Amino acid sequence: GAVVSQHPSRVICKSGTSVKIECRSLDFQATTMFWYRQFPKQSLMLMATSNEGSKATYEQGVEKDKFLINHASLTLSTLTVTSAHPEDSSFYICSAGGGRGGMNTEAFFGQGTRLTVV
Amino acid sequence: GDSVTQMEGPVTLSEEAFLTINCTYTATGYPSLFWYVQYPGEGLQLLLKATKADDKGSNKGFEATYRKETTSFHLEKGSVQVSDSAVYFCALRDGGATNKLIFGTGTLLAVQP
Repeated sequence: GAVVSQHPSRVICKSGTSVKIECRSLDFQATTMFWYRQFPKQSLMLMATSNEGSKATYEQGVEKDKFLINHASLTLSTLTVTSAHPEDSSFYICSAGGGRGGMNTEAFFGQGTRLTVV
Repeated sequence: GDSVTQMEGPVTLSEEAFLTINCTYTATGYPSLFWYVQYPGEGLQLLLKATKADDKGSNKGFEATYRKETTSFHLEKGSVQVSDSAVYFCALRDGGATNKLIFGTGTLLAVQP
């Protein structure tokens, strides 16, 4: 199946700094990518829908200025956590495919990024 | 809004035991239902899916039937193996304008030899 690569898999950063997470579709073009956040023992929560060439669509309660999403090409979306704080520590996962109009299109997931803010 | 509830883990079984992981959902429309599996250190992979009532999804010996009357999509396998140890996520796709996936909390399955 299609491969989605997410990088880095783990990152530790100091409070107040920014961290960029990359999500790449390796063998297909993705006009839509999704960013999820997972808290311990909780669901994957959709943060935003990343649309190639246009602004991301954020879910209610997600700060767009805090979590910057850029989808500059059909194979790359980036999530930047700006001015990170310890409460931003979490597991972030991206997916590609299964977007708008794709009812039966499979969504492919990256390996996830464990962010720890100290 | 739409939601998915699945049984908490961890579920610990001996090899060749029967597996059931319960999943129920709440949705206003007619969602598609999915089971995803996450092996250690890897991303989520689609295990099986069902797109309408009474459909049965199956893959790698796992099965789940879309039960509209009980709003359930329980995952079953007749004989688990150590290699099945992973986290299993039940999910629905709302079928609306966004087609976004809504996940359950995940259930860790540990199979012992």
